[in-house]
Amino acid sequence: DAGITQSPRYKITETGRQVTLMCHQTWSHSYMFWYRQDLGHGLRLIYYSAAADITDKGEVPDGYVVSRSKTENFPLTLESATRSQTSVYFCASSDGLATMDEQFFGPGTRLTVL
Amino acid sequence: SQQGEEDPQALSIQEGENATMNCSYKTSINNLQWYRQNSGRGLVHLILIRSNEREKHSGRLRVTLDTSKKSSSLLITASRAADTASYFCATDAPGGYQKVTFGTGTKLQVIP
Repeated sequence: DAGITQSPRYKITETGRQVTLMCHQTWSHSYMFWYRQDLGHGLRLIYYSAAADITDKGEVPDGYVVSRSKTENFPLTLESATRSQTSVYFCASSDGLATMDEQFFGPGTRLTVL
Repeated sequence: SQQGEEDPQALSIQEGENATMNCSYKTSINNLQWYRQNSGRGLVHLILIRSNEREKHSGRLRVTLDTSKKSSSLLITASRAADTASYFCATDAPGGYQKVTFGTGTKLQVIP
């Protein structure tokens, strides 16, 4: 299907486990982003990527790892999950043709760390 | 830290009324966007306004930008129940091409 998809949509894990959230987009957008959304904080940028093999930290990168070997995929890994990482995670993409493009968001992954 | 702060945090109006929400930001910007988020869904882009623009319209939406006050407002006219959602402003992050900083959002409820 065209667009931006995230998987899984819901995930429950335990403290200390590794978790990978997947993001896939079909537009060949250059830029991809990972945000977390928590009550009272709005959306906060975790990591973003300008192109394959180019990634950079956002506002809250600690405890997360990203990679981008292919333009269409941008997985987010929590290497050792903590309760404070319980959140809703959104992936987004933009074509990067202007200084501030419209971002297209996936449906989100609700992660609970017990 | 948040660049944008929306006001009010929550707003409840009757269908047909106008809804106004405000966004204030801290540092100079080049662009400001507004997004809508329906419950349990991802954000959807509504409108972008550039720093050299003062007002922009899109359907029932009207956005204003006052760079001297570092603030923007989103007006939704003749609201509908389907407008019930959270609304976020987003500003370009200082020195960050394509990076944006989102505010904390205004939760709008339109009562039929």
